[in-house]
Amino acid sequence: QKEVEQDPGPLSVPEGAIVSLNCTYSNSAFQYFMWYRQYSRKGPELLMYTYSSGNKEDGRFTAQVDKSSKYISLFIRDSQPSDSATYLCAMIPMYSGGGADGLTFGKGTHLIIQP
Amino acid sequence: DAGVTQSPTHLIKTRGQQVTLRCSPKSGHDTVSWYQQALGQGPQFIFQYYEEEERQRGNFPDRFSGHQFPNYSSELNVNALLLGDSALYLCASSFLGRNSYEQYFGPGTRLTVT
Repeated sequence: QKEVEQDPGPLSVPEGAIVSLNCTYSNSAFQYFMWYRQYSRKGPELLMYTYSSGNKEDGRFTAQVDKSSKYISLFIRDSQPSDSATYLCAMIPMYSGGGADGLTFGKGTHLIIQP
Repeated sequence: DAGVTQSPTHLIKTRGQQVTLRCSPKSGHDTVSWYQQALGQGPQFIFQYYEEEERQRGNFPDRFSGHQFPNYSSELNVNALLLGDSALYLCASSFLGRNSYEQYFGPGTRLTVT
């Protein structure tokens, strides 16, 4: 079993729809959870991050973390064709001594917003 | 404010050769991490450098080595290239200690091994 599981898609939805993207994980040490957006042949762009459990909203994007279920989600409201990209979840433990390890990524979900 | 920059953009090498990739971190950042992203996969952590030393290492062989310079820029070296080393190599920078989980990525170097 991989540490982070993410459905690679593709996920195709009409413009204006609400998009739900999800990841599950197995390592309970993960404390910070990130969502990156990656356009074709480009580097990942940090969209949002959340610490531990809870929700965080930024414009049309909402990130949710449920640590009890080891499940994280990203919701995109009023989706636009420009949102078409690969969305990567990533997570990282934070040890008591501070600092951080490398990020552990999911495979990425390829999202297509149809005009 | 310049973001993370990487060079070169593309590179073609032959099996058995050696390659060096370069990264300049975002202004104000002192930590550089390197990742390998194969086609259709998420990035895989190679290693992280802070204060010119390797802090953490992922599951990569010793053929992968790195260096960090006093100005925080970094190099990734790969020796004895294999066909399986063909990938997008990403550099990410962060500031250790405060919000160090926020890692910002460069555009990557696409390496093709023939």
